[in-house]
Amino acid sequence: EAQVTQNPRYLITVTGKKLTVTCSQNMNHEYMSWYRQDPGLGLRQIYYSMNVEVTDKGDVPEGYKVSRKEKRNFPLILESPSPNQTSLYFCASSRVLEPYEQYFGPGTRLTVT
Amino acid sequence: QKEVEQDPGPLSVPEGAIVSLNCTYSNSAFQYFMWYRQYSRKGPELLMYTYSSGNKEDGRFTAQVDKSSKYISLFIRDSQPSDSATYLCAGYTGGFKTIFGAGTRLFVKA
Repeated sequence: EAQVTQNPRYLITVTGKKLTVTCSQNMNHEYMSWYRQDPGLGLRQIYYSMNVEVTDKGDVPEGYKVSRKEKRNFPLILESPSPNQTSLYFCASSRVLEPYEQYFGPGTRLTVT
Repeated sequence: QKEVEQDPGPLSVPEGAIVSLNCTYSNSAFQYFMWYRQYSRKGPELLMYTYSSGNKEDGRFTAQVDKSSKYISLFIRDSQPSDSATYLCAGYTGGFKTIFGAGTRLFVKA
């Protein structure tokens, strides 16, 4: 089954404790992206990657890091989480020539206390 | 001003009604316009996309783009309770960035 998976699905952590949210896709997509979804603000892009070792900032990259060492994986790293990073996070993937046709993962709900 | 604006709703309609969901946008560089459906506690799923202006139909769903007025619409015919979800409109400029609206919550009552 073609899918995007994220882990963990739910996470409660404390300020300053480094964490990683994993994202993996099995569709051989070149393009992957991370979004956060907040009430009233919709989905906002954090980082995206056009292919292995190629990443770029989205609209809200502050406080986040990413890496793309393998085509199928695109982890999101919060090195020092803060309460304003409490949000619902989605990973998405698509063919690089069709980034308007994205497939989304199930989401990771993160709470930072 | 947000680049893509949507009325958050909620919009409540009886089963069988025609639903009209709308967005306005300000970015003239948008080339593709998308509609995603998001069920509660799920990730968004692409319903359909259109390139530039015009209409596109897929079953009970019709997407319409009017670039002259910067207006995007999604029509759902014969709405079903299973259509109850949040609908997100989005625009894509061609620079690997997609801008989403905040979503409209739709409830279809049986």
